[in-house]
Amino acid sequence: DAGVIQSPRHEVTEMGQEVTLRCKPISGHNSLFWYRQTMMRGLELLIYFNNNVPIDDSGMPEDRFSAKMPNASFSTLKIQPSEPRDSAVYFCASSFSRQGNEQFFGPGTRLTVL
Amino acid sequence: SQQGEEDPQALSIQEGENATMNCSYKTSINNLQWYRQNSGRGLVHLILIRSNEREKHSGRLRVTLDTSKKSSSLLITASRAADTASYFCATVDNYGQNFVFGPGTRLSVLP
Repeated sequence: DAGVIQSPRHEVTEMGQEVTLRCKPISGHNSLFWYRQTMMRGLELLIYFNNNVPIDDSGMPEDRFSAKMPNASFSTLKIQPSEPRDSAVYFCASSFSRQGNEQFFGPGTRLTVL
Repeated sequence: SQQGEEDPQALSIQEGENATMNCSYKTSINNLQWYRQNSGRGLVHLILIRSNEREKHSGRLRVTLDTSKKSSSLLITASRAADTASYFCATVDNYGQNFVFGPGTRLSVLP
């Protein structure tokens, strides 16, 4: 298995632009998680899905952030409009059956908003 | 609020020495997990210990859990330069919800 796949690996954009991050979880996993990592805040859980349904989005910073999971093999995290403070590394992770099991992380997307 | 808190924040040791990292948490848990993150990479799961377990081993890793003190420790024996990374603990509450990572310990193993 290729593991969790994220794209793009790096994204540089200007303030105000829309950013879309993509994730393909490990086949057979039914839980998917989006995290943001910064030096200041560490690793923050933004949202997680179980069986394609958003379960907890309390970590989503504000309405500029939205996430979707249209099917079991694909999820997107969208930021519109982007701001410099959104600059971070965004990780997607997947696991089998809810949060309690080990999570498999993707390589991350490094986002820089100028 | 932060559930797991690692201690120390940073640790520097010589190759061959043992490295011990600690994690404290506040509420009851279902399990506690340790992860490693190499620079510029995603986190990698190392070991999971359930609330009814006290100790677990995996290769050069030894994890202990003391639920009365709400703390866990990760011991890496005979460390190698390749062990240089950040190590995170993550706690899962009794409902299997609220997967929360601590701020991590940066380990440097000097050759």
